[in-house]
Amino acid sequence: AQSVSQHNHHVILSEAASLELGCNYSYGGTVNLFWYVQYPGQHLQLLLKYFSGDPLVKGIKGFEAEFIKSKFSFNLRKPSVQWSDTAEYFCAVIPASGGSYIPTFGRGTSLIVHP
Amino acid sequence: DAGVTQSPTHLIKTRGQQVTLRCSPKSGHDTVSWYQQALGQGPQFIFQYYEEEERQRGNFPDRFSGHQFPNYSSELNVNALLLGDSALYLCASSWGSRGTYNEQFFGPGTRLTVL
Repeated sequence: AQSVSQHNHHVILSEAASLELGCNYSYGGTVNLFWYVQYPGQHLQLLLKYFSGDPLVKGIKGFEAEFIKSKFSFNLRKPSVQWSDTAEYFCAVIPASGGSYIPTFGRGTSLIVHP
Repeated sequence: DAGVTQSPTHLIKTRGQQVTLRCSPKSGHDTVSWYQQALGQGPQFIFQYYEEEERQRGNFPDRFSGHQFPNYSSELNVNALLLGDSALYLCASSWGSRGTYNEQFFGPGTRLTVL
């Protein structure tokens, strides 16, 4: 069974600071990778996803993530955060082979951006 | 265009009781997935329904069961409630038999408290 680890549970930044949230997974086969975001009082929504191809994927609101297969990582980045980026961020993995596509989410990272 | 809706918003039950949660998918979606999110954790996949059948199931006991109706709406039933079932229950809708591969749209969730 796969697992997902998000190393930083709480991150506090000032506006304009750069952001990198770590995500590592364990699974022996090919995976599809996702980052979801939950803004205060809102539903979970998809930020970006990686299936194949260019390992650097761009999502909404200036976010991007890089898939490094050798490190089993899919870290989320943003060059300059804004107060409106305050939210909970979840990394998720779905096996892309084996007939089972059960998603596994990390426990999330709470990001607070001070104005 | 209504998004994913869930009812009720909050629910309080006692141990041993049974509960039914409801979900209406986003217009155009035919696949419904259910997740349990304990406090401070990421969503855990319970099961997915497509064409009125359970297609994928996570590591949850048989006390958790579901149903999908011809209009694609879905119910989650939990029997013999335990204190540990207290959580936020999320419904997510998507399109297609491999729905979790596609963008999932999440509802606001139902907060279940078991006393």
